[in-house]
Amino acid sequence: GAGVSQSPSNKVTEKGKDVELRCDPISGHTALYWYRQSLGQGLEFLIYFQGNSAPDKSGLPSDRFSAERTGGSVSTLTIQRTQQEDSAVYLCASSLVPRGADTQYFGPGTRLTVL
Amino acid sequence: KQEVTQIPAALSVPEGENLVLNCSFTDSAIYNLQWFRQDPGKGLTSLLLIQSSQREQTSGRLNASLDKSSGRSTLYIAASQPGDSATYLCAVSAYSGAGSYQLTFGKGTKLSVIP
Repeated sequence: GAGVSQSPSNKVTEKGKDVELRCDPISGHTALYWYRQSLGQGLEFLIYFQGNSAPDKSGLPSDRFSAERTGGSVSTLTIQRTQQEDSAVYLCASSLVPRGADTQYFGPGTRLTVL
Repeated sequence: KQEVTQIPAALSVPEGENLVLNCSFTDSAIYNLQWFRQDPGKGLTSLLLIQSSQREQTSGRLNASLDKSSGRSTLYIAASQPGDSATYLCAVSAYSGAGSYQLTFGKGTKLSVIP
């Protein structure tokens, strides 16, 4: 595709519900990353995929957060039993070279609001 | 733990002025440093990437420098234009030890260029 796309662009949910956020990376990019940007905070790394495997999950804040990637392309970030502190913009990025050694191309993000 | 600081947090300048944005980082063991631009409601756009062995990179009216030993980078914008108004983010890439090079971001400098 022309760029990284994410859906939905906005998501409002009630505390305790599960949500799924989707990322479509640039075609041919084998590396995919998820980040979170909370109000007043910098971007925080969540997880890195190389192909369908996730060698680096060190940024996931709790076991309520999980992610998968299928077909070396689309990735889904799932947050279970959402809490108000999960409210943030979730950004996805992809890169051609693995392991984050080159420019990462970012999607527009999903703004998650937990009421 | 790597920490990235950007000063100032916000900057307002009249159109046509040259300006400098500052970024500092605490751990000099970086792989590269990137400057991004973030517009409201949109993802990040990579502006310049400086490898750890390089001193500077230039693209159009933008020039970024890197002094790895002192943990500093600057982004110089020449002849600023209203279209340059955005938040500028600095990020350093370092090996996480968990399979990827992670980006650590500063909180950004919000630039307003007044016509």
